Amino acid sequence: DAEITQSPRHKITETGRQVTLACHQTWNHNNMFWYRQDLGHGLRLIHYSYGVQDTNKGEVSDGYSVSRSNTEDLPLTLESAASSQTSVYFCASSEWGTEQYFGPGTRLTVT
Amino acid sequence: SQKIEQNSEALNIQEGKTATLTCNYTNYSPAYLQWYRQDPGRGPVFLLLIRENEKEKRKERLKVTFDTTLKQSLFHITASQPADSATYLCALPSGGYNKLIFGAGTRLAVHP
Repeated sequence: DAEITQSPRHKITETGRQVTLACHQTWNHNNMFWYRQDLGHGLRLIHYSYGVQDTNKGEVSDGYSVSRSNTEDLPLTLESAASSQTSVYFCASSEWGTEQYFGPGTRLTVT
Repeated sequence: SQKIEQNSEALNIQEGKTATLTCNYTNYSPAYLQWYRQDPGRGPVFLLLIRENEKEKRKERLKVTFDTTLKQSLFHITASQPADSATYLCALPSGGYNKLIFGAGTRLAVHP
């Protein structure tokens, strides 16, 4: 069965370190998205991609970057982790104008 | 920019009753609107999509309505069960056909 996976599921890191969160989907979807979810804010879009080599900034992109070298993967990098980036991160994928399929999430704590 | 408002207070209902959740948006009417379910510690799961030219959509015990005049969607769960307890998120496209914005969600608790 097709799926979307994220790793690690939990991560604790120190302020200033670079962190990369992995997202892998086997749906063969062109569209991939990264969100963060915080209490009181709901899901907020960080970055998104509509295909290989395409990346775009979302609502809360400062301090984050992504790259899309193939259809299946969209890794999210925190260049220099800050305590404000402590959150739950979700990756999602979709086809054009349809529902999004979400991964299980990564809980990131920056100390 | 488009904003979504969902009731932040939890909705508590008795098993067997109909739960009704509200999603209001502020600006232009979107081409479609989606509803998702999220359980604690898990990612959202898609439930239903309704397009702007559709007034109502049903799937088993779920029903969604879309009123572009009121700028509102209602999500109904009939014959609710404790297993329906979860947070329900409303989402609609903003800044592009595929890019969604999400409401903060409404938590539903169905009591036996």
